[in-house]
Amino acid sequence: ILNVEQSPQSLHVQEGDSTNFTCSFPSSNFYALHWYRWETAKSPEALFVMTLNGDEKKKGRISATLNTKEGYSYLYIKGSQPEDSATYLCAPRGGATNKLIFGTGTLLAVQP
Amino acid sequence: EAQVTQNPRYLITVTGKKLTVTCSQNMNHEYMSWYRQDPGLGLRQIYYSMNVEVTDKGDVPEGYKVSRKEKRNFPLILESPSPNQTSLYFCVSSKRTGFGANTGELFFGEGSRLTVL
Repeated sequence: ILNVEQSPQSLHVQEGDSTNFTCSFPSSNFYALHWYRWETAKSPEALFVMTLNGDEKKKGRISATLNTKEGYSYLYIKGSQPEDSATYLCAPRGGATNKLIFGTGTLLAVQP
Repeated sequence: EAQVTQNPRYLITVTGKKLTVTCSQNMNHEYMSWYRQDPGLGLRQIYYSMNVEVTDKGDVPEGYKVSRKEKRNFPLILESPSPNQTSLYFCVSSKRTGFGANTGELFFGEGSRLTVL
């Protein structure tokens, strides 16, 4: 089974701060990496799907990078806003089963 | 509006009483799957379906059944629910891309919170 680690588990920042968190996964037999945002009382929504080493994707103030050789992805939020408060899930796909495996997420709380 | 619809959203039931959680998507997606979310654990896959009449076990299939008779519907059946099936369940769908592959983003239903007493 693909071992996925997200860090930190939780993060509290002030409005306007920039922040980033990490998703680590085994680098062998990598296929794709998904990032999802999960707001409280809602369902997860896709942010990015990344497949190539060195990929960098951006959506507004949120961006992500991918390093498949060393097995990690960073998610960056520039100028955090209270509406960015959510759990951010990463899900790499690969390994022996070639299945999508979800990490436990990073819980971000942005205080006004 | 593109969506995945699950019902019921909330359910409290008792051990052994069969129940079905329905899931329907209106995006003509080939791929559908069920996940459960438990505290401290990542989303875990129960079953998935690559197309009509094609289903396969995920990582935690015990105690569950599924069927895919039509492309849009993928119900989750608990024949004899037990307390360890108390969980938050998500149905997802995705456009299948590539031969034998599925890198498309997942579209999630709103979730069904199930409590088995």
